[in-house]
Amino acid sequence: SAVISQKPSRDICQRGTSLTIQCQVDSQVTMMFWYRQQPGQSLTLIATANQGSEATYESGFVIDKFPISRPNLTFSTLTVSNMSPEDSSIYLCSVEDLRRQGAGYTFGSGTRLTVV
Amino acid sequence: DAKTTQPPSMDCAEGRAANLPCNHSTISGNEYVYWYRQIHSQGPQYIIHGLKNNETNEMASLIITEDRKSSTLILPHATLRDTAVYYCIGGSGNTPLVFGKGTRLSVIA
Repeated sequence: SAVISQKPSRDICQRGTSLTIQCQVDSQVTMMFWYRQQPGQSLTLIATANQGSEATYESGFVIDKFPISRPNLTFSTLTVSNMSPEDSSIYLCSVEDLRRQGAGYTFGSGTRLTVV
Repeated sequence: DAKTTQPPSMDCAEGRAANLPCNHSTISGNEYVYWYRQIHSQGPQYIIHGLKNNETNEMASLIITEDRKSSTLILPHATLRDTAVYYCIGGSGNTPLVFGKGTRLSVIA
C-alpha cells in the first residue's frame, strides 16, 4: 500500500497563530483528502485536494480557514489559520491507494494539534 | 456513499473470534464495503474490503450477505492489540470515505 509521511506529528500552538501540516506520499496519486477528528469523535472530511486545481471543501469548512496546497502528485499541505481552542483536533491526510484492487485508502498517522 | 449502521460497542474474550456486524441496506451495486480500524487515535488502518464475494486476508475475513445489505468482519483470534474502533464504510473507490461512529471493540483478557 501507499506510504504517507505526515508532519508534524503533534504541536501545541497559541491562539491566533497558524499551523501548516505536510503530507508526503511515496507514489503519485490523483486525489488527496484531509480529515479532522475532534476529541472523542469520528473523522470528518475537510476537503479533497486535486493537483492543478483548487481544493473542494465540505460544508462547514472554508478556504480562508483551511487553505490547502497541492503543488504536485505526491505532496499536499493543510494550513489551520487563526487558530482557536476549538481547532484542537487530530488532522489526517488520506490518499486513494491504487496499488490495491478496488482501491481503498491509506491514511497518514495524523497531526495532533492543541491550541492554547 | 452508502450509510452504514454498526453497534456502538462490543466485547470479545482474548483468543476468541470477534464478529463485528454492519448494516448497509442502501449500498449500491458498484460500491465496495470497506473496513478500517483506528487504534488509540492513530490514523485509520485498512483491514479488508469486498464487493460481492467473501474475502479473507492475513488480518480478517469479510462475509457479505447475498443481498449485500449487511456484512460481518471476523477477527479469527482476537488479541488485546485488536482493541480499537472499527469502521464499516460503503464507497465506490474514487470518492472520499465518509466515516460513521464505528464500533468500539474491547478485547478482554
